[in-house]
Amino acid sequence: GDSVTQMEGPVTLSEEAFLTINCTYTATGYPSLFWYVQYPGEGLQLLLKATKADDKGSNKGFEATYRKETTSFHLEKGSVQVSDSAVYFCALPSGGSNYKLTFGKGTLLTVNP
Amino acid sequence: DTAVSQTPKYLVTQMGNDKSIKCEQNLGHDTMYWYKQDSKKFLKIMFSYNNKELIINETVPNRFSPKSPDKAHLNLHINSLELGDSAVYFCASSQWGGRQETQYFGPGTRLLVL
Repeated sequence: GDSVTQMEGPVTLSEEAFLTINCTYTATGYPSLFWYVQYPGEGLQLLLKATKADDKGSNKGFEATYRKETTSFHLEKGSVQVSDSAVYFCALPSGGSNYKLTFGKGTLLTVNP
Repeated sequence: DTAVSQTPKYLVTQMGNDKSIKCEQNLGHDTMYWYKQDSKKFLKIMFSYNNKELIINETVPNRFSPKSPDKAHLNLHINSLELGDSAVYFCASSQWGGRQETQYFGPGTRLLVL
């Protein structure tokens, strides 16, 4: 079945460091791919998405490129801030429809000043 | 304006009790979901409704009963609560349209069973 494998954390960085969180997937066909973010004590927010191969999603300085050849959707940011501290989830719609999202296990990012 | 709202935000209760969580979305979506997040932050689908019709029931104990009175509301009733039900429950909604549609999440209901 469809699945998402996400880099396990926790990840601790200093402010202005470069961030990469790896995400690879197995899926039937070519679904959209998503990154969601969960700030402490809050719900999930869509961070970015890509709907087809070679698409790049971007938001708030974060980027991820849909790579069909490596089945990957790695999240990157050139210079992290303390306010980026959160849990990041890679996800894809699975089950042959958009009825449910299958999530990776989440990566906790802590950014220190 | 809140797009997907849930009540209550926190719920502390005793084992064996029955409780309900409510969810409302004002996005005009036709599909709604319940997800459970465990203590390790792992998220898993529980139920999905499309146009008030149950589409997904992911081997959830029948103590959990979702109800969708209309497309904008999806409630979750839990009977005979157990310690293992302690988790954060998230409601979400999306528009039916294929595998590119974004799901929008509520703030979560933090359930603690004592």
